Amino acid sequence: NAGVTQTPKFQVLKTGQSMTLQCAQDMNHNSMYWYRQDPGMGLRLIYYSASEGTTDKGEVPNGYNVSRLNKREFSLRLESAAPSQTSVYFCASTPGGSDTDTQYFGPGTRLTVL
Amino acid sequence: AQSVTQLGSHVSVSEGALVLLRCNYSSSVPPYLFWYVQYPNQGLQLLLKYTSAATLVKGINGFEAEFKKSETSFHLTKPSAHMSDAAEYFCAVSDRYSSASKIIFGSGTRLSIRP
Repeated sequence: NAGVTQTPKFQVLKTGQSMTLQCAQDMNHNSMYWYRQDPGMGLRLIYYSASEGTTDKGEVPNGYNVSRLNKREFSLRLESAAPSQTSVYFCASTPGGSDTDTQYFGPGTRLTVL
Repeated sequence: AQSVTQLGSHVSVSEGALVLLRCNYSSSVPPYLFWYVQYPNQGLQLLLKYTSAATLVKGINGFEAEFKKSETSFHLTKPSAHMSDAAEYFCAVSDRYSSASKIIFGSGTRLSIRP
């Protein structure tokens, strides 16, 4: 049982390049999330998917798109990377349907945009 | 709208001393509250959560937190710090009016332990 996995672990992009961050969970969870973590700002929600087939914007969605490919996988795409998107990105999942759900986090992707 | 404020971005204590990490929340409805811990180069993991049962919540690794409605606080404590407690700690509150269990994180408190 791997939990939540993310690829890649590290990535360096040039301004304007595109890339997709991959996330998968093997816990049969319904809800999945993408966060970014910046120093002194905690975690900010980018997008989330309450269930397979649905996605919604979080606090900071601009410059990102997401795809809930199936119940297991939730990808985050940067179409034209900007230096402001340099951050650590975390994917998380929950069983879904309860406000008290524990969020299970992946190990993160460290992205640098030059 | 809900929010959490963590007082102190960095706390340093001696090994064996009391750990106290402060969190105040703002919520128009009874909240659900969480503490998560992040060890270096890892994702976050749940320490404990308050879901309107007992106001004193016990978590993993000897941590506990007390929900105080009158003070809108949910401070995290541990009687005796261990070197392995060095990490970043996040307080969080859930947004119960969303279709998913969205939670809102504080800005984090880095805990350092002095030998």
